[in-house]
Amino acid sequence: DQQVKQNSPSLSVQEGRISILNCDYTNSMFDYFLWYKKYPAEGPTFLISISSIKDKNEDGRFTVFLNKSAKHLSLHIVPSQPGDSAVYFCAASLIQGAQKLVFGQGTRLTINP
Amino acid sequence: ETGVTQTPRHLVMGMTNKKSLKCEQHLGHNAMYWYKQSAKKPLELMFVYSLEERVENNSVPSRFSPECPNSSHLFLHLHTLQPEDSALYLCASSQKGVTGPGETQYFGPGTRLLVL
Repeated sequence: DQQVKQNSPSLSVQEGRISILNCDYTNSMFDYFLWYKKYPAEGPTFLISISSIKDKNEDGRFTVFLNKSAKHLSLHIVPSQPGDSAVYFCAASLIQGAQKLVFGQGTRLTINP
Repeated sequence: ETGVTQTPRHLVMGMTNKKSLKCEQHLGHNAMYWYKQSAKKPLELMFVYSLEERVENNSVPSRFSPECPNSSHLFLHLHTLQPEDSALYLCASSQKGVTGPGETQYFGPGTRLLVL
């Protein structure tokens, strides 16, 4: 049973346009959500996060939106740049003693010049 | 060195070998994690160490044996692995005790393991 799902395995966007990556989750106990970016042969790099008490968090070109009633979060990148081409993972956090991060399968984003 | 480092970056081993993966974090964190990423699958949590004590073992076979000698170092000892254990093994660290939600894990570059 996959608790965090990224239903789009890949996404292609023109440079300068907006990239929107989506993530759905099933466990209403998750209280913190994170997006990671991963280049080939590297570990995931933390990008941005949002607490369940907020519905939006912005950091430069990156904005994460959280819709708790729909159990859905999205990452907006605007404007998209060629260096944004990578695999993006969303993760949901549960604190039960230790923190547990549950990851989605990832979405490969390609920015076309 | 900064962040989270892992050695070796690549490892090829036979099923009868014994090897160890090493992780070191330079962030002053007090929790460390091992994850496994197999092809086409999400990252899977294997072990969690908090304040040098193992607090989570996510039903991992005993052929994987973690060790956390101090808050900066984490090892994963491997013995009699199977070909299906071939994967990317990632280490992460975080600072526990953050007030409210907000504990972010930071990852190392991973060790790509191939079991023949």
